[in-house]
Amino acid sequence: GIQVEQSPPDLILQEGANSTLRCNFSDSVNNLQWFHQNPWGQLINLFYIPSGTKQNGRLSATTVATERYSLLYISSSQTTDSGVYFCAVEGGRRALTFGSGTRLQVQP
Amino acid sequence: DAGVIQSPRHEVTEMGQEVTLRCKPISGHNSLFWYRQTMMRGLELLIYFNNNVPIDDSGMPEDRFSAKMPNASFSTLKIQPSEPRDSAVYFCASSPGTGWYFGPGTRLLVL
Repeated sequence: GIQVEQSPPDLILQEGANSTLRCNFSDSVNNLQWFHQNPWGQLINLFYIPSGTKQNGRLSATTVATERYSLLYISSSQTTDSGVYFCAVEGGRRALTFGSGTRLQVQP
Repeated sequence: DAGVIQSPRHEVTEMGQEVTLRCKPISGHNSLFWYRQTMMRGLELLIYFNNNVPIDDSGMPEDRFSAKMPNASFSTLKIQPSEPRDSAVYFCASSPGTGWYFGPGTRLLVL
């Protein structure tokens, strides 16, 4: 099946810093979605982005499907951004395959 | 819209007992998914339904697990008998075809 690799696995930032999270996938995909799992365990939709670039406030994402990667940018990070960020892709089957996540800790 | 609804939110049971997890998808979504999250294996797909029909159950760990979707607004995941290694967070998700929406999860602890 399709493999999804996320980097870095762990990231510690000071409040106000910027960061870039990366997602590589092993095969062509139909869809790609970024999620934030907050400290309470909820999976929150960030972006549905099979290709192109989207922005939502301090967050933006870019997917280059032909090169099999996606990037999530977090600017001016806040403590509430802490949690785990997951990239998930839909390959040959309808369901999502998840990466192992990037654990982000934003310190005040 | 209330989003995907799961119940119970927490379940503690003893080994050997039957456990039933419930999910109500978002109205109008034609696909429903059950995922399990553990520290060791991360988020893994158990089974998914399209228009109430099971399409791929290759992720169901063994015969102790079963899932049903009797109608478009309800699905169950049953574990019988439960074992300590089934302890995990179980998520239900639904999709209208673009984008996936996850419920809050059921945290299961089997003693």
